[in-house]
Amino acid sequence: DAKTTQPNSMESNEEEPVHLPCNHSTISGTDYIHWYRQLPSQGPEYVIHGLTSNVNNRMASLAIAEDRKSSTLILHRATLRDAAVYYCILSATMGGANNLFFGTGTRLTVIP
Amino acid sequence: EADIYQTPRYLVIGTGKKITLECSQTMGHDKMYWYQQDPGMELHLIHYSYGVNSTEKGDLSSESTVSRIRTEHFPLTLESARPSHTSQYLCASTLQGAKGEKLFFGSGTQLSVL
Repeated sequence: DAKTTQPNSMESNEEEPVHLPCNHSTISGTDYIHWYRQLPSQGPEYVIHGLTSNVNNRMASLAIAEDRKSSTLILHRATLRDAAVYYCILSATMGGANNLFFGTGTRLTVIP
Repeated sequence: EADIYQTPRYLVIGTGKKITLECSQTMGHDKMYWYQQDPGMELHLIHYSYGVNSTEKGDLSSESTVSRIRTEHFPLTLESARPSHTSQYLCASTLQGAKGEKLFFGSGTQLSVL
């Protein structure tokens, strides 16, 4: 199974951009890169996903390296509500189920 | 917004009791999942389902069982709860066959077995 590597924790000042890195050197050609985040006492929520091209939505941007071995989630202006654990995940196939395997993620602290 | 619901939100129960954690979704999703998560730790897949009458075990062995009699409903049962079952249980759903499709999660059930 393709794995991802993320820093355990990061800090950011409020209203500044945040770049959350993820390494996935064993990614296969058909694996999508997903990002989820988990607020305290909640289930994870979808943030963004992509395959090869950079992606933007109302929550964040996803920058994917040309060789696809790494990606970066970009929060353009961090708010206190963005404090969460961020998971970088590769879609994997287990018996055709296309399940997503979560690691321990990056705990983002936003400083007022 | 996600329409996936888990009940109860919190459950404290004694050893040996039978419990069922409920999970329902109104999005018509084929695939549903149960994850187990301890505080500060990663999510572990314990069960999943492709659709009605389909259930599979995940990568983490679990003494729990699941059923899928209706598309919208995916309950998890523990026949005899033990303190080692204390954990957070998260239910999720998605459309089948789309690797790029996003998962929708419920708010979770925090289970404490005394």
